[in-house]
Amino acid sequence: EAQVTQNPRYLITVTGKKLTVTCSQNMNHEYMSWYRQDPGLGLRQIYYSMNVEVTDKGDVPEGYKVSRKEKRNFPLILESPSPNQTSLYFCASSLSSSSPLHFGNGTRLTVT
Amino acid sequence: SQKIEQNSEALNIQEGKTATLTCNYTNYSPAYLQWYRQDPGRGPVFLLLIRENEKEKRKERLKVTFDTTLKQSLFHITASQPADSATYLCALPLAGSYQLTFGKGTKLSVIP
Repeated sequence: EAQVTQNPRYLITVTGKKLTVTCSQNMNHEYMSWYRQDPGLGLRQIYYSMNVEVTDKGDVPEGYKVSRKEKRNFPLILESPSPNQTSLYFCASSLSSSSPLHFGNGTRLTVT
Repeated sequence: SQKIEQNSEALNIQEGKTATLTCNYTNYSPAYLQWYRQDPGRGPVFLLLIRENEKEKRKERLKVTFDTTLKQSLFHITASQPADSATYLCALPLAGSYQLTFGKGTKLSVIP
């Protein structure tokens, strides 16, 4: 089954403790992206990747890192999480940057 | 600056009627526009893509129009059903960018 898999689904952590949210797609998609979704603010793009080893900042990249060493994986790294990064995070992929996005089921992160 | 607006945060409609949702944008001319459906706590699911040279696109009970003069897209669900209740998001690429930007969405409730 074609899918985007994020892990974990839920994560509670404390300020400053580094964490990684994994994202994997099995559709051989070139384009991958991370969004965060907050009430009243909608979906905002954090980072995106056009292909392996090619990443770029979205609208809200501060406090996040990404890497794209393999085509299928696009992990999101929070080196020193803060409470304002408490949010619902979505990974998405598509065949190309202009193709429809396939979203994962989300990771609900709480930073205390 | 570029802006996307979805006409209302919430729309209530009687079962069987046609629901019409609006997406307006300013200060750019996107090559295409996409519509997604999002259920609570889940990732958005792609519904339809319409290109700038297309006036209208249909898929089963869904219809999307794209008026580049008015800078507006309309999303219609005919013969609406309670199962259509969800938040609907429009998304457009930013000018000169590979970023897909989302509107804040309209929450549709179909009342039996």
